Amino acid sequence: SQQGEEDPQALSIQEGENATMNCSYKTSINNLQWYRQNSGRGLVHLILIRSNEREKHSGRLRVTLDTSKKSSSLLITASRAADTASYFCVAGSARQLTFGSGTQLTVLP
Amino acid sequence: NAGVMQNPRHLVRRRGQEARLRCSPMKGHSHVYWYRQLPEEGLKFMVYLQKENIIDESGMPKERFSAEFPKEGPSILRIQQVVRGDSAAYFCASSPDRAGLGSGNTIYFGEGSWLTVV
Repeated sequence: SQQGEEDPQALSIQEGENATMNCSYKTSINNLQWYRQNSGRGLVHLILIRSNEREKHSGRLRVTLDTSKKSSSLLITASRAADTASYFCVAGSARQLTFGSGTQLTVLP
Repeated sequence: NAGVMQNPRHLVRRRGQEARLRCSPMKGHSHVYWYRQLPEEGLKFMVYLQKENIIDESGMPKERFSAEFPKEGPSILRIQQVVRGDSAAYFCASSPDRAGLGSGNTIYFGEGSWLTVV
């Protein structure tokens, strides 16, 4: 089932700009993960943030988590054309993963 | 419209046995993806199949693992001579067409099959 929701569903920006994607979920979680998917390929794991963490960085990625609002955001700084992909958040609990439908990011050169 | 169905949901195998995980995609979907999730890790892509064809198996271990998606019936992920390290959750996903940017197609995931090797 897909209970998570990404916002916006589609985002188009110029190369060099920052991209922010938001995710909301409904269940209690142990962690929340962001994935990237290039067209026709499998999901690539980007970053995992645990429920007791509020912010995490990995390279040009910054993820925040607000468990009181059941929401997370993914920020990609200094975007590149190669960042063009779909981005999914995945809310994880002990035995169940709920998936968002993805944000389609287009970075224009 | 039933979602992606995986079975068994839980499977226990002794070391050296074979594990077979089945995935029935959503009705009308001809593209299937398998993912593995080790404890406390993210999903890792294993293989992408269309009916009777393996499109991308770049995430499959070189030995003991195989996958198929026959013309009729579910997709099968087969693990031969299982070892403790194979214990994980295996997720299947399907899409009606080639999923991803611009296709407008969403990947729908099954609930997963949890394999425990004892």
